[in-house]
Amino acid sequence: ETGVTQTPRHLVMGMTNKKSLKCEQHLGHNAMYWYKQSAKKPLELMFVYSLEERVENNSVPSRFSPECPNSSHLFLHLHTLQPEDSALYLCASSQEFGANYGYTFGSGTRLTVV
Amino acid sequence: GQQLNQSPQSMFIQEGEDVSMNCTSSSIFNTWLWYKQDPGEGPVLLIALYKAGELTSNGRLTAQFGITRKDSFLNISASIPSDVGIYFCAGQQSGTGNQFYFGTGTSLTVIP
Repeated sequence: ETGVTQTPRHLVMGMTNKKSLKCEQHLGHNAMYWYKQSAKKPLELMFVYSLEERVENNSVPSRFSPECPNSSHLFLHLHTLQPEDSALYLCASSQEFGANYGYTFGSGTRLTVV
Repeated sequence: GQQLNQSPQSMFIQEGEDVSMNCTSSSIFNTWLWYKQDPGEGPVLLIALYKAGELTSNGRLTAQFGITRKDSFLNISASIPSDVGIYFCAGQQSGTGNQFYFGTGTSLTVIP
């Protein structure tokens, strides 16, 4: 496989559940990102990892917990989410953090919190 | 964060028509990107711009880096049904080390 792969594509979870989103990139990139995409809003940067180290400290609720075990994999652990967390969660990668040629995005995980 | 305003928010056009959309900011950017997002998919990079005044084409798509460095424009000529989707602009304020900021998108519908 090539590119950025996200699983699952769709997820429905209750507010008391714990689940994880997975992202894998096969591009040899050193930086990976989690974005939240809500209707009518710009993409919101949640977390950035460069060479497996977290480099951005955006204000994200602690119910979202990222993990980057190696430069090819990125996880987003979810627990006790709220209905307003329902959105499309996009993973992206780039050769290096802040590279000016943009990111390669995955297809996203459509999350619905009930 | 920086705010990028895209206009129009949505467009409904007939197949074969040309399309114009723009992206503006109150801040200067050094890099502008245009992405397209198909329904149920992630954004895909269409065009990257790195110099004020630069005009770059990708097939029927042409994008320009505004000379004020606070705006960018995307044109699609002779639209076809597969042009349907949401078009996003993204701007970065310096060459490296900084994140991209994204616009709210322009939703394009092409009527056959």
